[in-house]
Amino acid sequence: EAQVTQNPRYLITVTGKKLTVTCSQNMNHEYMSWYRQDPGLGLRQIYYSMNVEVTDKGDVPEGYKVSRKEKRNFPLILESPSPNQTSLYFCASSAGTGGTRPQHFGDGTRLSIL
Amino acid sequence: DQQVKQNSPSLSVQEGRISILNCDYTNSMFDYFLWYKKYPAEGPTFLISISSIKDKNEDGRFTVFLNKSAKHLSLHIVPSQPGDSAVYFCAASAVGGADGLTFGKGTHLIIQP
Repeated sequence: EAQVTQNPRYLITVTGKKLTVTCSQNMNHEYMSWYRQDPGLGLRQIYYSMNVEVTDKGDVPEGYKVSRKEKRNFPLILESPSPNQTSLYFCASSAGTGGTRPQHFGDGTRLSIL
Repeated sequence: DQQVKQNSPSLSVQEGRISILNCDYTNSMFDYFLWYKKYPAEGPTFLISISSIKDKNEDGRFTVFLNKSAKHLSLHIVPSQPGDSAVYFCAASAVGGADGLTFGKGTHLIIQP
């Protein structure tokens, strides 16, 4: 089954404690991205990657890091999480950019930073 | 500056009637528009899309209309069913854009029995 898998699904942690949210896709997609969803703000892109070793900032990259060492994996790293990073996070992948290749989303990771 | 706007946070429609969800955009470089549907505790799923060279695309009960001169698109669901209750996101991608999709804030559609 084609899917994008995120882990963990839920996490409560404290300010400053480094954390990583993993994302893996089994569709051999080149394009992957991370979004955060906040009430009243919709989905905002954090980082994206067009291929292995190629990453770029989205609209809200501050406080986040990513890496793309393998095609299937695109982890999101919060080196020093802060309460304003409490949010619902989605990883997505697609065969390419542009609307002709719709993005497939994972089921989300809800992070609470205390 | 919000480039994709969904001005109705919520919409309530009676089962069997037509649901019309609206979306406006400001960036004239957008060339493809998509609608995603999202249930609680799940990720968004792709619903339907339209290229800027068309003014209508239909897929079963779902039709998307695009008015380029007004920078407006709408999603019509006919007839509306209880399973259509969800949050609907309008999204757009730009010509040659490498940075993926720009999303609106979403509209929560509630289908009343």
